[in-house]
Amino acid sequence: GENVEQHPSTLSVQEGDSAVIKCTYSDSASNYFPWYKQELGKRPQLIIDIRSNVGEKKDQRIAVTLNKTAKHFSLHITETQPEDSAVYFCAASRDYKLSFGAGTTVTVRA
Amino acid sequence: GAGVSQTPSNKVTEKGKYVELRCDPISGHTALYWYRQSLGQGPEFLIYFQGTGAADDSGLPNDRFFAVRPEGSVSTLKIQRTERGDSAVYLCASSLGGTGDGYTFGSGTRLTVV
Repeated sequence: GENVEQHPSTLSVQEGDSAVIKCTYSDSASNYFPWYKQELGKRPQLIIDIRSNVGEKKDQRIAVTLNKTAKHFSLHITETQPEDSAVYFCAASRDYKLSFGAGTTVTVRA
Repeated sequence: GAGVSQTPSNKVTEKGKYVELRCDPISGHTALYWYRQSLGQGPEFLIYFQGTGAADDSGLPNDRFFAVRPEGSVSTLKIQRTERGDSAVYLCASSLGGTGDGYTFGSGTRLTVV
């Protein structure tokens, strides 16, 4: 089955700086890569996703890049704000099932 | 409904007891999923329903776990003879079709087995 690894496990950044989270996957058939944000005690919420036919996607301060050859994808958050503090999960899918990374706890210092 | 609703939000049970967790998906969503999230981990797949049938139950950890969706809407996850290791947040999600996108997660049921 699919194995998704996520790094780092924790990330502390100064407000206004950028944050980068990296994930690798094992199943070359995976073709859909979403990122979820989960605040404490809340549901995971989709923040951005990318499909395997695209190398990069951007939505305001958030961007995701995908390297299919290397089987890795990354989340980039620019101009971080205190409300960006949360746990972020990457995931990979080839069909209906999402395989998640272990998560990155992002703390934005004011 | 407007979102995926899960009840109860919290459940504390004694080891060995039986529990039922309920998920009410978004109206019209034919696909329903159960995931389990242990502390400090990402959600792990348990089971996928397409309509009334369990299309993939390969993630259920053992035969103490069972899920149903008799009318293709509400689903119930049932755990028999609960063990302390079953303590986790059980997340339900639904989507229009059976693909990895379009998921809407519920807020989860936090199960604690004492």
